[in-house]
Amino acid sequence: ETGVTQSPTHLIKTRGQQVTLRCSSQSGHNTVSWYQQALGQGPQFIFQYYREEENGRGNFPPRFSGLQFPNYSSELNVNALELDDSALYLCASSFPRGGGPTKEYFGPGTRLTVT
Amino acid sequence: GQNIDQPTEMTATEGAIVQINCTYQTSGFNGLFWYQQHAGEAPTFLSYNVLDGLEEKGRFSSFLSRSKGYSYLLLKELQMKDSASYLCAVRDPGGQNFVFGPGTRLSVLP
Repeated sequence: ETGVTQSPTHLIKTRGQQVTLRCSSQSGHNTVSWYQQALGQGPQFIFQYYREEENGRGNFPPRFSGLQFPNYSSELNVNALELDDSALYLCASSFPRGGGPTKEYFGPGTRLTVT
Repeated sequence: GQNIDQPTEMTATEGAIVQINCTYQTSGFNGLFWYQQHAGEAPTFLSYNVLDGLEEKGRFSSFLSRSKGYSYLLLKELQMKDSASYLCAVRDPGGQNFVFGPGTRLSVLP
């Protein structure tokens, strides 16, 4: 286990609704990234938060938004849900250090189904 | 832009050796990572390469050639529990995120 936790584990929502997913990062990690993984595909980067500020964003519309709190936990919010938003949402935490690549530790994910 | 390619599926026999290839085209490079993902679970870190050459870690080894934009993951003495998807990922040059390949689904048969 990585020490990264996510809630809820599974969620079923209706098209047009809003959803909030939560992530607690590994102790000591100040950076949280969110990824969307559709069935049979690799994870796609949504955005990253570093010390409570957005630190990069992938090719996702504005209805995907997020927050990071002082304890470095994070939320992913999705408004106006669409059927294509059905996926596994992964949270990954890290502690960037200068001079080399940073490893990310993934949580177990939240499986979102939009009907 | 960044593009990463891997074979979609591979099959191998228990006890054998399998090599999973990954090719990438990126605007910059800051490390190549391999993750293992069992069905319905989170990706778990296997290895990473920054410099050219082979990194060995028990039954798993990873190779990188930056000039060729090529990496492979070598799994030896395959076990049934190695049946999983293997994700190749390149670190964004800005260091902000991973760009993942589509993953290779490996099935280990008895």
